[in-house]
Amino acid sequence: EDQVTQSPEALRLQEGESSSLNCSYTVSGLRGLFWYRQDPGKGPEFLFTLYSAGEEKEKERLKATLTKKESFLHITAPKPEDSATYLCAVSILTGGGNKLTFGTGTQLKVEL
Amino acid sequence: GAGVSQSPSNKVTEKGKDVELRCDPISGHTALYWYRQRLGQGLEFLIYFQGNSAPDKSGLPSDRFSAERTGESVSTLTIQRTQQEDSAVYLCASSLITSSDEQYFGPGTRLTVT
Repeated sequence: EDQVTQSPEALRLQEGESSSLNCSYTVSGLRGLFWYRQDPGKGPEFLFTLYSAGEEKEKERLKATLTKKESFLHITAPKPEDSATYLCAVSILTGGGNKLTFGTGTQLKVEL
Repeated sequence: GAGVSQSPSNKVTEKGKDVELRCDPISGHTALYWYRQRLGQGLEFLIYFQGNSAPDKSGLPSDRFSAERTGESVSTLTIQRTQQEDSAVYLCASSLITSSDEQYFGPGTRLTVT
């Protein structure tokens, strides 16, 4: 069974304090790994897709990396507006479509 | 352009009633997905539509759940004889094609069954 596990469940950082969120996955064949950001009361907002081990993508203060077993979302010098729940999801090679299996998320709080 | 829209934003219903949730995908997006997000749990896949192909219903939790899509536009998710465990946020997403393209989510419908 495909599984996605995110850690930590919650993370509190001071503004400017860099850290990383982890997403470990067990799938039969990875098609893609996705990172989303979700603010309270809103739908997930797409951040990155990673397809193969060694791939990295960056956007502002965020950088996502991928290995064969896990992905990291690195947050450099975070600001309070980075506070949100960060979701990781995978899609697999077998079967049609691109249905995503999600982890339960990491709730990030960045304080002044 | 406009994003994915969903209606209603909130729905409170009594146990045993039927409900209909609506999703308007991004224009031109051929793939449409429904997910459910229960409190403290990850998003769960429910159903996916791609063009005129038969939908993938593998995530529907029971036969009380059904969905339809009109061509490549609006979709409705229907829950019959609602139960308290159906309380959740129901999210719709659309994407250009069904490969690894990113999915764009709507704001969701919060369903509360009393």
